[in-house]
Amino acid sequence: ELKVEQNPLFLSMQEGKNYTIYCNYSTTSDRLYWYRQDPGKSLESLFVLLSNGAVKQEGRLMASLDTKARLSTLHITAAVHDLSATYFCAVDMNYGGSQGNLIFGKGTKLSVKP
Amino acid sequence: EAGVAQSPRYKIIEKRQSVAFWCNPISGHATLYWYQQILGQGPKLLIQFQNNGVVDDSQLPKDRFSAERLKGVDSTLKIQPAKLEDSAVYLCASSEDWVDTQYFGPGTRLTVL
Repeated sequence: ELKVEQNPLFLSMQEGKNYTIYCNYSTTSDRLYWYRQDPGKSLESLFVLLSNGAVKQEGRLMASLDTKARLSTLHITAAVHDLSATYFCAVDMNYGGSQGNLIFGKGTKLSVKP
Repeated sequence: EAGVAQSPRYKIIEKRQSVAFWCNPISGHATLYWYQQILGQGPKLLIQFQNNGVVDDSQLPKDRFSAERLKGVDSTLKIQPAKLEDSAVYLCASSEDWVDTQYFGPGTRLTVL
């Protein structure tokens, strides 16, 4: 059974600081997603990482994927309050097969304080 | 481009009652998903449709949950009878095909009393 673990689950940061969220998964997959969810809102797609060594950046967020280590990271640079949200990683359990079953981590609740 | 539409946004029912949720995916998206998100957790896939056929319903509690996607467009998810532990947000998502990014709707927040 594929398991997806995120850490930390809660993160309180000061504005201007850098931090990294980690996403580990238990079986082979070459497709990983990062989503953002604001309180009471739905999920917004941030990044899709499709191969080993893939790196994507958007604004203050940068995501990377190491399929050999089964690890993805979401790095936050110079955090601002607008980044406060819950961030989920999701791994495609059947990539390379016939389905698109995503297994989500529990999420990292990020709070950026002045 | 219009996003994934869901209704209702909120629903409160008593246990043992029935409830139905509706989803209209992004136009042209062949794949439709229903997820259950319990407070404090990540979404869990309930059922996946490709056009109007079921691809994966392995995590759907079939004794009480049912879903259909007639004509390969809109979909409904039904719970009958509801239990307290069904209280959650039910999210619908769609993608162009199963390999593509999933786009999520606003969700329906269900409270079972």
